[in-house]
Amino acid sequence: AQSVAQPEDQVNVAEGNPLTVKCTYSVSGNPYLFWYVQYPNRGLQFLLKYITGDNLVKGSYGFEAEFNKSQTSFHLKKPSALVSDSALYFCAVSSLKDTGRRALTFGSGTRLQVQP
Amino acid sequence: EPEVTQTPSHQVTQMGQEVILRCVPISNHLYFYWYRQILGQKVEFLVSFYNNEISEKSEIFDDQFSVERPDGSNFTLKIRSTKLEDSAMYFCASSLGLAGEFSEQYFGPGTRLTVT
Repeated sequence: AQSVAQPEDQVNVAEGNPLTVKCTYSVSGNPYLFWYVQYPNRGLQFLLKYITGDNLVKGSYGFEAEFNKSQTSFHLKKPSALVSDSALYFCAVSSLKDTGRRALTFGSGTRLQVQP
Repeated sequence: EPEVTQTPSHQVTQMGQEVILRCVPISNHLYFYWYRQILGQKVEFLVSFYNNEISEKSEIFDDQFSVERPDGSNFTLKIRSTKLEDSAMYFCASSLGLAGEFSEQYFGPGTRLTVT
């Protein structure tokens, strides 16, 4: 069974500082990894994905994530945080080891708080 | 920018009643999904739908649940006889689903279902 762990319930960072939101995963087969962001009263918005290729993937709003196969991690990063980045961030994984399986397994979410 | 829409935004129903949650996926997408998030818990996969049939379902998706694509645009989730524990935010999602590709899922804003 596949699983995702987001070890931090909340991350606090000052505006302008770099941020990291951690994610580790467990799947059979090759992982497909995603980050989503949720603002209050909104749905989940896609940020970025890793399917194959370069381990460093770039996404929306200046976010990037690094896939590390040996550590089974996919941490979300941004060089300089903005107050508007404050939201709930979800890491998700899937694997096509089983034919046709596309269901995403989500982590529990990390609340990012960026202080001015 | 195209987006997934869901109606209603909030549904209150009495235990034992049937509810239908509605979604309009992005028009050129081929895969459709329902997820739910019980307050304070993870986002959980319910079911995926492709080519007019269920592609995959979780253990949560029992005989009380059904999905339908009644026309070319709507995708519905029906709960036949609601229970208190069905109270949750229900998210619809869709993805391109091209062969050989693992495209990201785009989520709607959710329907908050409250069962009393």
